[in-house]
Amino acid sequence: QKEVEQDPGPLSVPEGAIVSLNCTYSNSAFQYFMWYRQYSRKGPELLMYTYSSGNKEDGRFTAQVDKSSKYISLFIRDSQPSDSATYLCAAPGYGGATNKLIFGTGTLLAVQP
Amino acid sequence: ETGVTQTPRHLVMGMTNKKSLKCEQHLGHNAMYWYKQSAKKPLELMFVYNFKEQTENNSVPSRFSPECPNSSHLFLHLHTLQPEDSALYLCASSQGQGPTEAFFGQGTRLTVV
Repeated sequence: QKEVEQDPGPLSVPEGAIVSLNCTYSNSAFQYFMWYRQYSRKGPELLMYTYSSGNKEDGRFTAQVDKSSKYISLFIRDSQPSDSATYLCAAPGYGGATNKLIFGTGTLLAVQP
Repeated sequence: ETGVTQTPRHLVMGMTNKKSLKCEQHLGHNAMYWYKQSAKKPLELMFVYNFKEQTENNSVPSRFSPECPNSSHLFLHLHTLQPEDSALYLCASSQGQGPTEAFFGQGTRLTVV
């Protein structure tokens, strides 16, 4: 079982729609979750992170963690064509003295004007 | 200069060639990483360097050889690659050894023919 799982999509929505992007994880030791956004032909960039259960809001973006079900979500309100990108969820792996991120496959989002 | 710079952006090489990928970070970070991104797969961590010392080799074949001469530069030397090694190779850097934000370069799109 993959440690972080994500539906690869693609997900196509009309402009202005509310988008829900989701990941599940298997390791209950994960306490810190990140969402990265990757535009075509670019490297991933950090969009949001959250340490614990509950919601974190930043503008049109809300990150949500449900530790009881090992489920993390990213909501985008009033979606724009500029939000079209691949969204990757990630959690830091533990072990040894190194830091590393474990990523999902990413969900490709297309917002149609 | 932008945070993490990778060269070249695109590379086509034969299976008998030797080439190198270069990464430079201007963020003063002490950890650098190589990731491999293939279609429909999660980002795969390949190597981690902390303070120029390799702290993680994620079972990467020896045809990939990393080099970190200082905290700002990271190389990935390639030789006798296989077509299945074609992918986007991403370099990243971060500060500290705990779970922290990783800043990514734009990647090198490698095609092995």
